[in-house]
Amino acid sequence: AIQMTQSPSSLSASVGDRVTITCRASQDIRNDLGWYQQKPGKAPNLLIYTASNLQSGVPSRFSGSGSGTDFTLTINSLQPEDLATYYCLQHYNYSWTFGQGTKVEIK
Amino acid sequence: EVQLVESGGGLVQPGRSLRLSCAASAFTFEDYAMHWVRQAPGKGLEWVSGISWDSDRIDYADSVRGRFTISRDNAKNSLFLQMNSLRPEDTALYYCANWDYAGGFDIWGQGTMVIVSS
Repeated sequence: AIQMTQSPSSLSASVGDRVTITCRASQDIRNDLGWYQQKPGKAPNLLIYTASNLQSGVPSRFSGSGSGTDFTLTINSLQPEDLATYYCLQHYNYSWTFGQGTKVEIK
Repeated sequence: EVQLVESGGGLVQPGRSLRLSCAASAFTFEDYAMHWVRQAPGKGLEWVSGISWDSDRIDYADSVRGRFTISRDNAKNSLFLQMNSLRPEDTALYYCANWDYAGGFDIWGQGTMVIVSS
């Protein structure tokens, strides 16, 4: 089974900061990776699909990059409403694995 | 409004069974693969199972294979998860979600809570 290692597990940043979250896959998954935002008490929401494509309706301060085994979610200019836990999800070859999650707090 | 609504959760004793349902509305359900994802209290997301649009391909997480069965009824715009031999570690909020063509869980339900306890 493909393992996803997500880091950091939590971070605290100020409004306006750039935030970077990474996911590493245990094997090459091409670009079969997405990023999800889950606000407290809510269902997850798709932000990025196939590593770097912004889902419709998602603010442009969110971006994704990477391929193969290493992937990054970047939030440019963090906003108060970005308080949430963020998850990566690999979906290579009919298997699906979430990362452990990154809790983003606002200083 | 495009939505998925889960139902069927509840409190159940270890070893017993439960059947979850997910009702879809306002989108062409039969065009999409559908999945179940769960989240234990205070924990992260765990993919559980997925089924292709035509039920031709079905996949399960190792943690539930042999105990859970996913199915769908396209005529009724419904997805199901039959959960047998339930264990305390199956306690979680269970979400259904569609798999968008572009490669992502695009629409999520609000979840239904399953608690396995004696």
